Amino acid sequence: KAGVTQTPRYLIKTRGQQVTLSCSPISGHRSVSWYQQTPGQGLQFLFEYFSETQRNKGNFPGRFSGRQFSNSRSEMNVSTLELGDSALYLCASSGDDRAKLFFGSGTQLSVL
Amino acid sequence: GDSVTQMEGPVTLSEEAFLTINCTYTATGYPSLFWYVQYPGEGLQLLLKATKADDKGSNKGFEATYRKETTSFHLEKGSVQVSDSAVYFCALYSSNTGNQFYFGTGTSLTVIP
Repeated sequence: KAGVTQTPRYLIKTRGQQVTLSCSPISGHRSVSWYQQTPGQGLQFLFEYFSETQRNKGNFPGRFSGRQFSNSRSEMNVSTLELGDSALYLCASSGDDRAKLFFGSGTQLSVL
Repeated sequence: GDSVTQMEGPVTLSEEAFLTINCTYTATGYPSLFWYVQYPGEGLQLLLKATKADDKGSNKGFEATYRKETTSFHLEKGSVQVSDSAVYFCALYSSNTGNQFYFGTGTSLTVIP
């Protein structure tokens, strides 16, 4: 079974731009969660999607948004990028057991 | 709100040394507790978990016991190897707070031969 796949692996953007990150969950998993990882803050929860609906949301500004498609693939969008958005963005999928997360390798975003 | 506090790193140990990484939590209700490990350039992998008080999770020589009285879930290993070098995250999951995971800030471990 293929694992969680995130693309692209690296991204470099400038302030004010927008970016879209993609996540393909493990086959059969309908829940996809997104996390922001930074050295000082650890992992911060962004949001969770289940069957194309946002099921849970963390404390991030509206510039951070996401969506999920009918095949469970998910995208995350960040608009009007700020320097502080530089981070590793991790996607995780889960099946029937929501407490069992499988993580992708992440997208490393650098904002210059 | 729910939160996890873990020992700050980095931690450097010699091979075969004893490892302890401290983790304490704050939560309403009865959360499940986890340790995840992140190897360089990879995502997080579940290392072990415990779902109720006094449960001991174990995997690959690592152990952690869910202590409700001290709200702790310390990670231990009796003899570390160079291949254990990674970042370790303590986490909790609670259905009382929206079925959400809360992660600690991570502890970097380097094991030298």
